[in-house]
Amino acid sequence: GQSLEQPSEVTAVEGAIVQINCTYQTSGFYGLSWYQQHDGGAPTFLSYNALDGLEETGRFSSFLSRSDSYGYLLLQELQMKDSASYFCAVRNFNKFYFGSGTKLNVKP
Amino acid sequence: NAGVTQTPKFRVLKTGQSMTLLCAQDMNHEYMYWYRQDPGMGLRLIHYSVGEGTTAKGEVPDGYNVSRLKKQNFLLGLESAAPSQTSVYFCATAGLSLQETQYFGPGTRLLVL
Repeated sequence: GQSLEQPSEVTAVEGAIVQINCTYQTSGFYGLSWYQQHDGGAPTFLSYNALDGLEETGRFSSFLSRSDSYGYLLLQELQMKDSASYFCAVRNFNKFYFGSGTKLNVKP
Repeated sequence: NAGVTQTPKFRVLKTGQSMTLLCAQDMNHEYMYWYRQDPGMGLRLIHYSVGEGTTAKGEVPDGYNVSRLKKQNFLLGLESAAPSQTSVYFCATAGLSLQETQYFGPGTRLLVL
């Protein structure tokens, strides 16, 4: 089977750095994705790691360690607009499996 | 490019009524998916398609049917709606390359009374 674990909620202050972890168990693995979803909106693609290491896109970075079945999303210089839910998802060939999401609360 | 579009955006049904949700993509992606998302929860896969003319069941297929007659369209049908099908439905697409992820449509909010 497939399972993904991520914290249910994280709170941080504006300007800070926050890391959202994701551990997974899967019978097959092709990559780890991260999505942002604001209340009432659709999941928006943030990053995708197919190989080990760090991927950086502006204020967002994502890391993957396939040997540890672990990844994280790092958000720097937090802004109020970053308050949203963040989902990790594993690609297993032609299917994707999602975690339950981490609600990020950014406070002034 | 429009990417992934869904119609309608919002719909209210009475129990027992039927409806079809349409997903259209202009990304030339082979794979298409239908998910449902309930409040405070992640995405659950209903059905998916790995190419024109093919469909397969996901985690929660009961009460739904799908068709992929054209590569760019993926239809989700509810034959006899039930209140338990009140949810937000998202369509997503993905390419053949395993180095890529999937992309989502804007969603359809469905309320079954």
